[in-house]
Amino acid sequence: GENVEQHPSTLSVQEGDSAVIKCTYSDSASNYFPWYKQELGKRPQLIIDIRSNVGEKKDQRIAVTLNKTAKHFSLHITETQPEDSAVYFCAASMNSGYSTLTFGKGTMLLVSP
Amino acid sequence: ETGVTQTPRHLVMGMTNKKSLKCEQHLGHNAMYWYKQSAKKPLELMFVYSLEERVENNSVPSRFSPECPNSSHLFLHLHTLQPEDSALYLCASSQGGARETGELFFGEGSRLTVL
Repeated sequence: GENVEQHPSTLSVQEGDSAVIKCTYSDSASNYFPWYKQELGKRPQLIIDIRSNVGEKKDQRIAVTLNKTAKHFSLHITETQPEDSAVYFCAASMNSGYSTLTFGKGTMLLVSP
Repeated sequence: ETGVTQTPRHLVMGMTNKKSLKCEQHLGHNAMYWYKQSAKKPLELMFVYSLEERVENNSVPSRFSPECPNSSHLFLHLHTLQPEDSALYLCASSQGGARETGELFFGEGSRLTVL
């Protein structure tokens, strides 16, 4: 089955800095790579995703890059703000009649003012 | 109410109790999921129901018993749990079927403490 590794487990940055979280996956058949943000005491929510036919995707201050050959993908957050503080999860899956997401262990991002 | 709702939000039970967690989705989705979230571990998929049929059961102990009476409702029946079962139990839904995109919509979770 799929295995997703995520690094780092914790990341502390100053407000305005950039943050990068990296994930690797094992199953070359995986073709969908979402990122979820979970604020303290809240539900995980999708913030951005990328499919295997695309190398990069941006949405305002966040971007995701995918390297299919190396089987790794990364989340980039620029101009970080205190409200970006949360746990971020990467995940990977392949096309199916239902979601087959395998999640990483999560990265706790702390943005200090 | 819209989205995915879970009740109760918090539950404390003894090891001999029987209780149930409830999940309801108002998104018109056809697939529903139970995940277990423990500290410092990845989200663990427990069960998947697609079009009201159980399609995945990831080696979950029989003390956890899911039920999906229709595409909008999902239950997790709990019986003779162990303290290590204390965790946040998240319900999720997705489009399912031919329209499946892979995106999961999560509920707020039920925080379970087993004494």
